[in-house]
Amino acid sequence: EVQLVQSGAEVKKPGESLKISCKGSGYSFTSYWIGWVRQMPGKGLEWMGIIYPGDSDTRYSPSFQGQVTISADKSISTAYLQWSSLKASDTAMYYCVGEVAATGRAFDIWGQGTMVTVSS
Amino acid sequence: QSALTQPPSASGSPGQSVTISCTGTSSDVGGYNYVSWYQQHPGKAPKLMIYEVSKRPSGVPDRFSGSKSGNTASLTVSGLQAEDEADYYCSSYAGSHVVFGGGTKLTVL
Repeated sequence: EVQLVQSGAEVKKPGESLKISCKGSGYSFTSYWIGWVRQMPGKGLEWMGIIYPGDSDTRYSPSFQGQVTISADKSISTAYLQWSSLKASDTAMYYCVGEVAATGRAFDIWGQGTMVTVSS
Repeated sequence: QSALTQPPSASGSPGQSVTISCTGTSSDVGGYNYVSWYQQHPGKAPKLMIYEVSKRPSGVPDRFSGSKSGNTASLTVSGLQAEDEADYYCSSYAGSHVVFGGGTKLTVL
């Protein structure tokens, strides 16, 4: 079964760092793009960026460039999203997404989501 | 970059058809045939319903169809069923990134 499994919920304080993960299985991890999508509480979807694990080519949304870092470790089929200094406004559900069977930057595989809560 | 524009709500009775619009610019919707649509039920991860404007992934009922004219894409749900009640989001490739619409809450009356 093709799936993306994300790390568990996190509760952090403002200013702390964080790295959440997304492990792919059931397909060739290095051959398909993996992205991250943010959904703030009660709000819509926002595309953050995407990485090609085969060569680590990474693209960011202008809105998130410089705010987060997307990376991948192909040896363990895992992608990451990290922050160096969290803000309360980073509180959201974060989904990792895969463009596997679909094309044209359409994401047919979604992780279960990682809830990040930033509060003092 | 600005989000694509969707109506905040849409509704229809069971068996009817409803169309949701998604308006962008020539830099996104109008410039590429890479428009996708996602369905999200409360508390669940979104699900891809349409990609490349009008293609359906395996397993998506043919009651769901997509189209595009100029800078506006549309999702049509025919033969509405109770389980179609959900939030729907469009997205488009925009050159080096992807932009989403603000979402439309579809209510089945």
